[in-house]
Amino acid sequence: DTGVSQDPRHKITKRGQNVTFRCDPISEHNRLYWYRQTLGQGPEFLTYFQNEAQLEKSRLLSDRFSAERPKGSFSTLEIQRTEQGDSAMYLCAGGTGDGTGELFFGEGSRLTVL
Amino acid sequence: AQSVAQPEDQVNVAEGNPLTVKCTYSVSGNPYLFWYVQYPNRGLQFLLKYITGDNLVKGSYGFEAEFNKSQTSFHLKKPSARVSDSALYFCAVRALYGGATNKLIFGTGTLLAVQP
Repeated sequence: DTGVSQDPRHKITKRGQNVTFRCDPISEHNRLYWYRQTLGQGPEFLTYFQNEAQLEKSRLLSDRFSAERPKGSFSTLEIQRTEQGDSAMYLCAGGTGDGTGELFFGEGSRLTVL
Repeated sequence: AQSVAQPEDQVNVAEGNPLTVKCTYSVSGNPYLFWYVQYPNRGLQFLLKYITGDNLVKGSYGFEAEFNKSQTSFHLKKPSARVSDSALYFCAVRALYGGATNKLIFGTGTLLAVQP
């Protein structure tokens, strides 16, 4: 158990709907990352927070995607006007310190867009 | 640009035999290298990392990896494979240079299948 929980674990939605995923890291995780993983691929970086500040965002992340980490605790990832290509596993990971240490991943939120 | 290559989609090995899962990387500056394992329907779990120092690093579950700067490789090894090692393995790299990025770049993964 990494201490990172994600909700919901599975989400099925129709194209065009909005979805929101939540990640709860442990309190020591000053760093928080969102990744996307599709079948047969490695995790793809989406965005990174240090405490409440969003410091890095992938150029692959369209303006339909937005992430927040209010108060530097839990984080949310929202996808607006979902498309079938958004179907994937969305992974959250927490980390501490200066980023040289390992990341602690949640079990992911699987999105299926019909 | 940073990149990680895992040239084998799948590695098959008999239980008790040594195993190697290959990884090569390309970065500017000194690399931080990691191995993660993913079991079915589970999140990624950290196995080991190389930051600096001894080129041979030891990690969880009896795994080890050797950093080779000249060959830009970081292969994962285990002297004696177990059926329970069967899983998906990911190599990842974080580059260190001025204005260092904080993200890990992952390879595409290698499926390890250990036959009893």
